Amino acid sequence: RKEVEQDPGPFNVPEGATVAFNCTYSNSASQSFFWYRQDCRKEPKLLMSVYSSGNEDGRFTAQLNRASQYISLLIRDSKLSDSATYLCVVTLILTGGGNKLTFGTGTQLKVEL
Amino acid sequence: DGGITQSPKYLFRKEGQNVTLSCEQNLNHDAMYWYRQDPGQGLRLIYYSQIVNDFQKGDIAEGYSVSREKKESFPLTVTSAQKNPTAFYLCASSIGPGSVYGYTFGSGTRLTVV
Repeated sequence: RKEVEQDPGPFNVPEGATVAFNCTYSNSASQSFFWYRQDCRKEPKLLMSVYSSGNEDGRFTAQLNRASQYISLLIRDSKLSDSATYLCVVTLILTGGGNKLTFGTGTQLKVEL
Repeated sequence: DGGITQSPKYLFRKEGQNVTLSCEQNLNHDAMYWYRQDPGQGLRLIYYSQIVNDFQKGDIAEGYSVSREKKESFPLTVTSAQKNPTAFYLCASSIGPGSVYGYTFGSGTRLTVV
């Protein structure tokens, strides 16, 4: 089983739609959770952290369910500029200190007119 | 402006050659990382370093080497022993252990073996 699993998509949605991405992780000791956005042939950029209480940043809402080891990202009123690949990322603290981010393969979103 | 600089952006290498990818950061971050990305796959950790003069193997370290002589710099050498080196290489840094701020990435180096 992969450490972090995501539906690869692509999700093709019309502008203005609401779209939801899901992600599951296998290691219950994981401590921090993030969503990154990656544009084609570019580096990943941090979109938002994910907290157990849920958090919102404008049109983006992230949720974490530790019991089910499940993370979600909701994008409301999607824009053409939201088209990208969304990476689910999970952090483990390493023996001897430091942390390791484990990345999902990403879910591709295409927002269309 | 603070950030991570990777160079070169594109690199072509003949089979059997070693090449070194540069990664420099001025964020005063303690930890630095090298990842590799292949089409359809997630990022995979090659090496990481928490402090100067110390580094650890990641999940796919075979055929790679690193050094961390300065806090700002974490170069990656792709040796001729790496069987499939063509990939997108990403360097990242973080404030320190257990960072809740995630990683900051450089813009990457695309390595192609010709």
